[in-house]
Amino acid sequence: GAGVSQSPSNKVTEKGKDVELRCDPISGHTALYWYRQSLGQGLEFLIYFQGNSAPDKSGLPSDRFSAERTGGSVSTLTIQRTQQEDSAVYLCASSHPGLNQPQHFGDGTRLSIL
Amino acid sequence: GQNIDQPTEMTATEGAIVQINCTYQTSGFNGLFWYQQHAGEAPTFLSYNVLDGLEEKGRFSSFLSRSKGYSYLLLKELQMKDSASYLCAVRADDYKLSFGAGTTVTVRA
Repeated sequence: GAGVSQSPSNKVTEKGKDVELRCDPISGHTALYWYRQSLGQGLEFLIYFQGNSAPDKSGLPSDRFSAERTGGSVSTLTIQRTQQEDSAVYLCASSHPGLNQPQHFGDGTRLSIL
Repeated sequence: GQNIDQPTEMTATEGAIVQINCTYQTSGFNGLFWYQQHAGEAPTFLSYNVLDGLEEKGRFSSFLSRSKGYSYLLLKELQMKDSASYLCAVRADDYKLSFGAGTTVTVRA
């Protein structure tokens, strides 16, 4: 597709379960980013990939969060033992390298922890 | 840390002009971006400023003053479809963006 694709669009799960969120970036974009958006708050940076490497994982809130990227393309964000405070919209973005390159966002995964 | 401030809400009339201000205090500066986000949708890129001055793109313009840590997004000839949240974001380092909480603009007939 032409844009960033994320799946699932919505996920409802019980506290304590593991969830996996998927991001398909725009073809040819080497940089990939994960953000989290909570109600009434700005987007919170989670992790950045350049190719398959993640030089900055500083935004991951806890060791329950992990992410990987394979083939320089698809990325998955995994949250283990989910907690209610993990409820948010998780947004993925991709871009070409370069400081002036805008990040293009997917529609996000709305995660609700019961 | 990074501090980016913008008003929470603004209301304007169809056909009018609205100016959304953004002030920032960041550890570095490699450009400022504005995004538009309709409810339940992805943020979409509007503008990029890295040098002082005004960038105009159709009905939307964005201004930057690096010495003042200040930017604004100007929306002219407002249309109902411009009702959305507008996000100010600063690239303080080489890659990630730090976002303000967003300004919800409501356009009334």
